[in-house]
Amino acid sequence: KNQVEQSPQSLIILEGKNCTLQCNYTVSPFSNLRWYKQDTGRGPVSLTIMTFSENTKSNGRYTATLDADTKQSSLHITASQLSDSASYICVVSASTGNQFYFGTGTSLTVIP
Amino acid sequence: NAGVTQTPKFRILKIGQSMTLQCAQDMNHNYMYWYRQDPGMGLKLIYYSVGAGITDKGEVPNGYNVSRSTTEDFPLRLELAAPSQTSVYFCASSYHRGSGNTIYFGEGSWLTVV
Repeated sequence: KNQVEQSPQSLIILEGKNCTLQCNYTVSPFSNLRWYKQDTGRGPVSLTIMTFSENTKSNGRYTATLDADTKQSSLHITASQLSDSASYICVVSASTGNQFYFGTGTSLTVIP
Repeated sequence: NAGVTQTPKFRILKIGQSMTLQCAQDMNHNYMYWYRQDPGMGLKLIYYSVGAGITDKGEVPNGYNVSRSTTEDFPLRLELAAPSQTSVYFCASSYHRGSGNTIYFGEGSWLTVV
């Protein structure tokens, strides 16, 4: 069964600290993996898209990694800011079919 | 750019009522999707469309209907609303579902069925 699991479910960190969010998936055959940021009361917004051949991709203070062999991805946030408080969602798509598979998200709270 | 626009933002329905959630995109995307997001759960696909005139069921289609008469619009119809349909609904679109194509989401529609 195609599934996407994220950990931790929630995380509280101090402003300025780094953190890493995890995404494990069983989606097969793998096509690509996306990380989205969803602010409270808003729709998800894309942070990164990674394909099979990409190991690392950065978007400002966000760095995503992908290990297609172990089917794991991580999102590292550097020097966190209060505006990073949001839910971060991992989305995986297969190369067959028309579905995207969503994780339940990690709720990040950055406190001053 | 307006992107993906959803209306209404909030709605309260009585059990058994019907309503339509509107969704429009101005990016000339082929693919459009409707998702629902329940508290603490991942987004679940209700229906999707790969182009005008073509729709298909997603993971949780029961109680909903869609149509795609134009590339731009993809309304979601709720018939005989039930409390289980209380959720946040997101419309989304993409040019293609393949690698490198970003999915753009609307701002969401909060629906409560009482």
